[in-house]
Amino acid sequence: QKEVEQDPGPLSVPEGAIVSLNCTYSNSAFQYFMWYRQYSRKGPELLMYTYSSGNKEDGRFTAQVDKSSKYISLFIRDSQPSDSATYLCAIPYGGSQGNLIFGKGTKLSVKP
Amino acid sequence: EAGVAQSPRYKIIEKRQSVAFWCNPISGHATLYWYQQILGQGPKLLIQFQNNGVVDDSQLPKDRFSAERLKGVDSTLKIQPAKLEDSAVYLCASSSSGTGTEKLFFGSGTQLSVL
Repeated sequence: QKEVEQDPGPLSVPEGAIVSLNCTYSNSAFQYFMWYRQYSRKGPELLMYTYSSGNKEDGRFTAQVDKSSKYISLFIRDSQPSDSATYLCAIPYGGSQGNLIFGKGTKLSVKP
Repeated sequence: EAGVAQSPRYKIIEKRQSVAFWCNPISGHATLYWYQQILGQGPKLLIQFQNNGVVDDSQLPKDRFSAERLKGVDSTLKIQPAKLEDSAVYLCASSSSGTGTEKLFFGSGTQLSVL
């Protein structure tokens, strides 16, 4: 079983829709959870990170962690065409070494 | 603030040839990473440097891949000889301290096609 699983999509929604992106993970020791956004032909950029369980909100974006079910989510409200990108969940491992395990990424397209 | 610089942007080679990629991290960033991203996959860490020392190279195929960061600043990643399965985007990233919760800054990558 892979450590981080993510549905690759693609996901196509109309502008203004609420988008839900999800990942599952296998190692209950993971504590930090990140979401990166990757535009076409660009490197990933950090969008949000959360620690342990709970929600974190930043503008139109909300990250949610449910450690009991090993499930992490990213919600995008009022989605915009500029949100069209691939969204990658990422989990650091190795203690202080700072290495990341990435999911496969979900490709999102927001249609005007 | 200048971002992470990578070159070349694209490279096409034939199998069994050699290739090298260059990365210049954000000024002052001690930690440098090379990731491999195969089409349709998430990035996979190949090697992590802290200044000019290797912290983790457990996923680097050492029979064909090598990397160096001699002066603790820029870095090169080399593949010799290349295989078809090496076709991927090679991403360089940097961070100031290398802890897991710190933001990684990625370059735009080098897209390698092995024919």
